[in-house]
Amino acid sequence: QKEVEQNSGPLSVPEGAIASLNCTYSDRVSQSFFWYRQYSGKSPELIMSIYSNGDKEDGRFTAQLNKASQYVSLLIRDSQPSDSATYLCAVNVISSGSARQLTFGSGTQLTVLP
Amino acid sequence: DGGITQSPKYLFRKEGQNVTLSCEQNLNHDAMYWYRQDPGQGLRLIYYSQIVNDFQKGDIAEGYSVSREKKESFPLTVTSAQKNPTAFYLCASTYDSNYGYTFGSGTRLTVV
Repeated sequence: QKEVEQNSGPLSVPEGAIASLNCTYSDRVSQSFFWYRQYSGKSPELIMSIYSNGDKEDGRFTAQLNKASQYVSLLIRDSQPSDSATYLCAVNVISSGSARQLTFGSGTQLTVLP
Repeated sequence: DGGITQSPKYLFRKEGQNVTLSCEQNLNHDAMYWYRQDPGQGLRLIYYSQIVNDFQKGDIAEGYSVSREKKESFPLTVTSAQKNPTAFYLCASTYDSNYGYTFGSGTRLTVV
């Protein structure tokens, strides 16, 4: 089982709709979770971080975390064509030894259709 | 402005040649990372370094080498032993992984 799994996509939504991106993780003691946006040919950009169960809102973006279900999601309201990108879920997991580092999902490609 | 600088932006390698990708940060971050990304794929960890003069292999270290002689710098060498090096290479850094990583703008390496 992969440590971080995302719905494979690609995902297409019409402009103005809500886009829902999902991610599950296997490390039960993970405490920090992130969503990165990556435009084609560019590097990932951190758009949301979440640490506690529940919702965290930032403009049109809402991150949702459920540690009991080991599930984190990103909702994009009023989707715009400029939101078209690949979205990477990242979870802070224990690597070799006791160090923690981010493990990334394979990404979900989102296309917002005008 | 603080950030991570990767150079060059584009790099072409001939068969059997070693090439070095530069990564420099002025964020005073202790930890630095190198990732490889293939088209339509996620990020795969090549090497990482938590402190100066120490580094660890990631999931796909074969054919790559790194050094960490200064806190600010973490260069990646793609050796001739790496048989399929064409990819997008990303460098990242952090002072605490609980707050996420900052990425450089990437180097696109192509074998010619």
